[in-house]
Amino acid sequence: DMKVTQMPRYLIKRMGENVLLECGQDMSHETMYWYRQDPGLGLQLIYISYDVDSNSEGDIPKGYRVSRKKREHFSLILDSAKTNQTSVYFCASSPGQGGAETLYFGSGTRLTVL
Amino acid sequence: GDSVTQTEGLVTLTKGLPVMLNCTYQTTYSPFLFWYVQHLNEAPKLLLKSSTDNKRTEHQGFYATLHKSSSSFHLQKSSVQLSDSALYFCASGTGGYKVVFGSGTRLLVSP
Repeated sequence: DMKVTQMPRYLIKRMGENVLLECGQDMSHETMYWYRQDPGLGLQLIYISYDVDSNSEGDIPKGYRVSRKKREHFSLILDSAKTNQTSVYFCASSPGQGGAETLYFGSGTRLTVL
Repeated sequence: GDSVTQTEGLVTLTKGLPVMLNCTYQTTYSPFLFWYVQHLNEAPKLLLKSSTDNKRTEHQGFYATLHKSSSSFHLQKSSVQLSDSALYFCASGTGGYKVVFGSGTRLLVSP
């Protein structure tokens, strides 16, 4: 079953705490993405990962970093979370170059930073 | 840079009526265009995609035609159902890795 799994689904953190969002996929896709979704802004690209240890900044990388040590796992890290990082975060994977291929999304993590 | 514009934030319709959701894009490359649909509390899923100029693409009753001359990829359906209520995103890729999404259009269908 082709699946992208995100953990946790809901997370509440205090400002200044570190946050780890995890994403896994069982399709051996090379390319993985982290997006955030805010009302009226659509999906904004945070980071792209082309494969293990091969990552690139997206459009809004400030305040975020990523880690991909295995092809099936892609983590998003917020060091010292800020209230403006309250959002819904989506992970996605693609079999090749996502600009021409279908993106498969996880169910999202709703992060609230107090 | 590349961009995608969806002009309607919210579209409300009575079931059985036709709908068109607008999407225009800007890119310097030959584009791939996508429509993704997101139902409440679910993940976005691919609805349609196309890279062929002037060819109609259809899926689940929805259809869209990529018109490179006008940089448009509008989503249409001839008769909406209650289950079509969702958030619809238009997205553009250039065959590389990056995909740019529009701001989304929420479609609400009432009985």
